[in-house]
Amino acid sequence: EADIYQTPRYLVIGTGKKITLECSQTMGHDKMYWYQQDPGMELHLIHYSYGVNSTEKGDLSSESTVSRIRTEHFPLTLESARPSHTSQYLCASSKNAGGELFFGEGSRLTVL
Amino acid sequence: AQRVTQPEKLLSVFKGAPVELKCNYSYSGSPELFWYVQYSRQRLQLLLRHISRESIKGFTADLNKGETSFHLKKPFAQEEDSAMYYCALSGLNTNAGKSTFGDGTTLTVKP
Repeated sequence: EADIYQTPRYLVIGTGKKITLECSQTMGHDKMYWYQQDPGMELHLIHYSYGVNSTEKGDLSSESTVSRIRTEHFPLTLESARPSHTSQYLCASSKNAGGELFFGEGSRLTVL
Repeated sequence: AQRVTQPEKLLSVFKGAPVELKCNYSYSGSPELFWYVQYSRQRLQLLLRHISRESIKGFTADLNKGETSFHLKKPFAQEEDSAMYYCALSGLNTNAGKSTFGDGTTLTVKP
């Protein structure tokens, strides 16, 4: 079944650790996005990609980085996690730029 | 720059009452407007988009370009409508088609 998957769903780590949040989609979409959902539930775009080897920073500055080596895979990496990175991270994909977004279930990161 | 404003962070109504979730936007061009919903312990999902002009789960939303608004309405709220609602805008002409979200409105429908 076509879907978008995020792992891990929950992660608690210590300060300074490197983490990678995985996002994969089987929908055949070229466009993929990472949103940060703050404790107050606001959604902010932090990264997006319109195809393989194409990544751009979003509207909210983030210390995370992303890569897009394969169409279906869009991982997000934090080289050295800090408590300020504690948040929910949502991955999404779309068929067309500006079209409907399909979201994963989210990865809730807590940095102690 | 494109911007979406949802003035109400929290909205509470009784079952059977009408409900309106407000959304205003700013965008220089022809926008595409969406309403997304996140039910408790579920993923964020599309509720409706203005271009389809559909009624989904009894909800409708009309794009008013004069007032730059896209309010979400339902004549008789149900308890299962309790959720977080986000208004979103995307524009093909600017911002590379990225979607901008409002801050969200938490709707609680009381029995």
